Amino acid sequence: GIQVEQSPPDLILQEGANSTLRCNFSDSVNNLQWFHQNPWGQLINLFYIPSGTKQNGRLSATTVATERYSLLYISSSQTTDSGVYFCAVERARENFNKFYFGSGTKLNVKP
Amino acid sequence: DTAVSQTPKYLVTQMGNDKSIKCEQNLGHDTMYWYKQDSKKFLKIMFSYNNKELIINETVPNRFSPKSPDKAHLNLHINSLELGDSAVYFCASSHNLIVTEAFFGQGTRLTVV
Repeated sequence: GIQVEQSPPDLILQEGANSTLRCNFSDSVNNLQWFHQNPWGQLINLFYIPSGTKQNGRLSATTVATERYSLLYISSSQTTDSGVYFCAVERARENFNKFYFGSGTKLNVKP
Repeated sequence: DTAVSQTPKYLVTQMGNDKSIKCEQNLGHDTMYWYKQDSKKFLKIMFSYNNKELIINETVPNRFSPKSPDKAHLNLHINSLELGDSAVYFCASSHNLIVTEAFFGQGTRLTVV
């Protein structure tokens, strides 16, 4: 398999603060996704980002595949950003596409 | 319109029972998946289907049997439920085996008592 490590495991922010979440992976990947699991349990797609940088409103993500990491930036955080953020990777050396998930970063944004 | 929908959202049942979870996607995708999220929130793939054909069976007990009547549907049937089967089960779909951006359903919380 492939190891996917996310840091930090837990994060508490005051509303309006910025943060960076990190995802390290142990092998070459074809694809990488960031998800937000909201307090109701729904998994929401944030970015599909095997390499490069993407931005969507207050969120942006950067994947440096050659160095085996991805970063998720949250700017001007809001209470609705609370939840668990997952990174999931698709390993390059496997014949069958499947995502390996990290253990997540639990974010709590306080008003 | 919900892109990937699962029913039911909650399922409470006794040990030994048989239950099914249904999943439908209206995205026109070829590939569908079942993932399991355990009590520690860890997500792991169980099955994937492409155009109704089983692609991945990730060492899941035989009590779990996926069925894909057409490429828009992937149902999960579980026989002889055990306490350890309690988890959240997520259905997902992607365009195909090449374009693999995954879209998830809202999950089914299964509680076995």
